[in-house]
Amino acid sequence: GENVEQHPSTLSVQEGDSAVIKCTYSDSASNYFPWYKQELGKRPQLIIDIRSNVGEKKDQRIAVTLNKTAKHFSLHITETQPEDSAVYFCAASNGGYQKVTFGIGTKLQVIP
Amino acid sequence: GAGVSQSPSNKVTEKGKDVELRCDPISGHTALYWYRQSLGQGLEFLIYFQGNSAPDKSGLPSDRFSAERTGGSVSTLTIQRTQQEDSAVYLCASSLRGGSYNLPLHFGNGTRLTVT
Repeated sequence: GENVEQHPSTLSVQEGDSAVIKCTYSDSASNYFPWYKQELGKRPQLIIDIRSNVGEKKDQRIAVTLNKTAKHFSLHITETQPEDSAVYFCAASNGGYQKVTFGIGTKLQVIP
Repeated sequence: GAGVSQSPSNKVTEKGKDVELRCDPISGHTALYWYRQSLGQGLEFLIYFQGNSAPDKSGLPSDRFSAERTGGSVSTLTIQRTQQEDSAVYLCASSLRGGSYNLPLHFGNGTRLTVT
């Protein structure tokens, strides 16, 4: 089955700096890669996703890149703010009938 | 509109008792997942239902865990003879299936289970 590795497990950045979280996946058939943000005590919520037919997607300060050849994808947050502090999960799925597999999560701390 | 609803929000039980956790997915969502999240940990996959297909039970940690999904809607996760290591937040999520892709998961608020 699919295996998703995520790093780093913790990340501290100064407010205004950029943060990058990286994930690799094992199943070359995976075609959908969402990112979820989980604030303390709350449910995970989708922040951005990318499908295998594109290499990059942006939404304001957030961007995701995908390298299908290397089987890795990354989340980039620019101009970080204290409210970006949360746990971020990457995930991969290889089709509509296959389950979504999550990485272990990255705890991001933005220091004011 | 209504999101994914889970009940109870909190459950305290004695070791050895059985518990049932309920999930009401978003209406029309064909996919339903159960995940377990221990304190400060990641999302541990438990079970996945997709339409009328056989569920993917590969994440269930032991035969004390089981889940049903009746009528393609409501799901119940049952833990028999609970152990202290079962203490965690149990999250349910649902999604539509869009062609060859999965669509975003919508999570419930979870059930916090404490086994004493």
